[in-house]
Amino acid sequence: ETGVTQTPRHLVMGMTNKKSLKCEQHLGHNAMYWYKQSAKKPLELMFVYNFKEQTENNSVPSRFSPECPNSSHLFLHLHTLQPEDSALYLCASSQDSEVVASEQYFGPGTRLTVT
Amino acid sequence: GQNIDQPTEMTATEGAIVQINCTYQTSGFNGLFWYQQHAGEAPTFLSYNVLDGLEEKGRFSSFLSRSKGYSYLLLKELQMKDSASYLCAVKDSNYQLIWGAGTKLIIKP
Repeated sequence: ETGVTQTPRHLVMGMTNKKSLKCEQHLGHNAMYWYKQSAKKPLELMFVYNFKEQTENNSVPSRFSPECPNSSHLFLHLHTLQPEDSALYLCASSQDSEVVASEQYFGPGTRLTVT
Repeated sequence: GQNIDQPTEMTATEGAIVQINCTYQTSGFNGLFWYQQHAGEAPTFLSYNVLDGLEEKGRFSSFLSRSKGYSYLLLKELQMKDSASYLCAVKDSNYQLIWGAGTKLIIKP
């Protein structure tokens, strides 16, 4: 596999379920990101990890819990979600989150539907 | 607050030229990025501008004016495969990317 992969690609869950999204990057990068993308809205940055340390948490509700065991893997643990959390969740990686010209490479996303 | 503005939707004809504008107000400036996102797919990097002027990359060019808080993406010789959303993003003083909502470009034969 090359680039950034995400699993699952689609997920339907009830409000009382617990599930996890997985992201893996094969680019040798040191920074990983979770974004939420809703229709016709800007990408919302949720979490940033740089060299496995969480550097940003943009006021994300505690029902979203990130985990970064190493620079290649990133998880987003979900529990007791709300219908308004339905969106496309994108993972991205870059060489270093504090290098200005470092572009981000995105995975294909997980389409999440909360019922 | 921080803000990125770009048109919601544009339509152009195959073979023509289209210019997608982006204006920004951010806390600091560490460069501006353009990404392309086809429906149902991941955004892919197109260009990065940090100095004023025009950067050309094949059929795509990107322009930046820092004093005006303005950028545009110019697409020449449009092809049907260029139908996509184009996302403008600015890296602020905290190295965070601030994103616009994207411009959906529709190419007609």
